[in-house]
Amino acid sequence: GESVGLHLPTLSVQEGDNSIINCAYSNSASDYFIWYKQESGKGPQFIIDIRSNMDKRQGQRVTVLLNKTVKHLSLQIAATQPGDSAVYFCAEALFGNEKLTFGTGTRLTIIP
Amino acid sequence: DAMVIQNPRYQVTQFGKPVTLSCSQTLNHNVMYWYQQKSSQAPKLLFHYYDKDFNNEADTPDNFQSRRPNTSFCFLDIRSPGLGDAAMYLCATSRGGTGYEQYFGPGTRLTVT
Repeated sequence: GESVGLHLPTLSVQEGDNSIINCAYSNSASDYFIWYKQESGKGPQFIIDIRSNMDKRQGQRVTVLLNKTVKHLSLQIAATQPGDSAVYFCAEALFGNEKLTFGTGTRLTIIP
Repeated sequence: DAMVIQNPRYQVTQFGKPVTLSCSQTLNHNVMYWYQQKSSQAPKLLFHYYDKDFNNEADTPDNFQSRRPNTSFCFLDIRSPGLGDAAMYLCATSRGGTGYEQYFGPGTRLTVT
């Protein structure tokens, strides 16, 4: 079936460096993509989203890139801080569908 | 602040003893979701309500039921919890349609003894 997956299950980054978390999706009909951050023992927290008519969107210290040609999504976090340590999930949605399909998640660890 | 609230945060139940988890929202969102999340895994959608319309996922066991008595509240009932049902249960809401993010509650950690 259709799925959203991540290339790397774990990622360790030095504090202050930039991090890139990747996500591959298989459903070319997906219209909407979203990144969530989940800290231990908490619910997922919205980070940033992007529609399929865009290829880049920036937020505070975060940038999401969408490459529809290769069905690839990435989350870039600039100047990582200890508070960025968490599991990051990408998710996709089809137009007109209120359900999200989640990827497997990447655990990001920031090294002091 | 508008938010999604889940009670209790931690629930311990005995094998086979029915348990109910609750979720409430102050966002006035149309859609409420229930997810099951096991350690180091992605949230797995069990079912959702779009207003009063119930939408069950094909692989959700019959052991799991849900009720939405009004816009603000949604309940997850586990009729006969098994050891494999121990997990974090997440409630989320959205305005509906596509392009609307889902807002998650803090979750209820269920332990089955």
